[in-house]
Amino acid sequence: DTGVSQNPRHKITKRGQNVTFRCDPISEHNRLYWYRQTLGQGPEFLTYFQNEAQLEKSRLLSDRFSAERPKGSFSTLEIQRTEQGDSAMYLCASSSPRTGVYGYTFGSGTRLTVV
Amino acid sequence: ELKVEQNPLFLSMQEGKNYTIYCNYSTTSDRLYWYRQDPGKSLESLFVLLSNGAVKQEGRLMASLDTKARLSTLHITAAVHDLSATYFCAVDNTGANSKLTFGKGITLSVRP
Repeated sequence: DTGVSQNPRHKITKRGQNVTFRCDPISEHNRLYWYRQTLGQGPEFLTYFQNEAQLEKSRLLSDRFSAERPKGSFSTLEIQRTEQGDSAMYLCASSSPRTGVYGYTFGSGTRLTVV
Repeated sequence: ELKVEQNPLFLSMQEGKNYTIYCNYSTTSDRLYWYRQDPGKSLESLFVLLSNGAVKQEGRLMASLDTKARLSTLHITAAVHDLSATYFCAVDNTGANSKLTFGKGITLSVRP
């Protein structure tokens, strides 16, 4: 068990470009979450998957954002036509409530800077 | 909508003294989580509190949960510099589609 892995750790992009982040959850966890954290704030929920199904999306997730978890394992978060306001830390977490063990394990995050 | 409030937002602590920080939430929930975050880093899980009256301790930190008052406290005993970080509480909205809702965090700074 290597924990939740996120790539890349840092991404600098020009406004208007598309970016894609990847998250590999703990292998036995069936739930995967994406959060966004801006400076001085707590993480804000974006979306989550149970296996390959995307069960909920936040109002924060504009149509420029799309997330997938095609085989119920890793997930990708894509941001199209990036804006400066998208600059943030994007955190992925996984959990496995079906095991009866409550807890969310977070990855190291991807820090996005839009210039 | 579930809301989580933490106070104070910043606390300057003196080494060796005891302090308590608070977390309030707005709707019924049975599960509360405390996380620590160092600057530029991700979230480290500290405590998971699963029921009313739950108390957990790890080193100089002790967390408790009162679900009737919708309040959790994090007590710090004899603060040391290593405890300087931002501490978040988060609540899991009970039900099938559970997810964490976070407070804004409390930044603790321990001075000699």
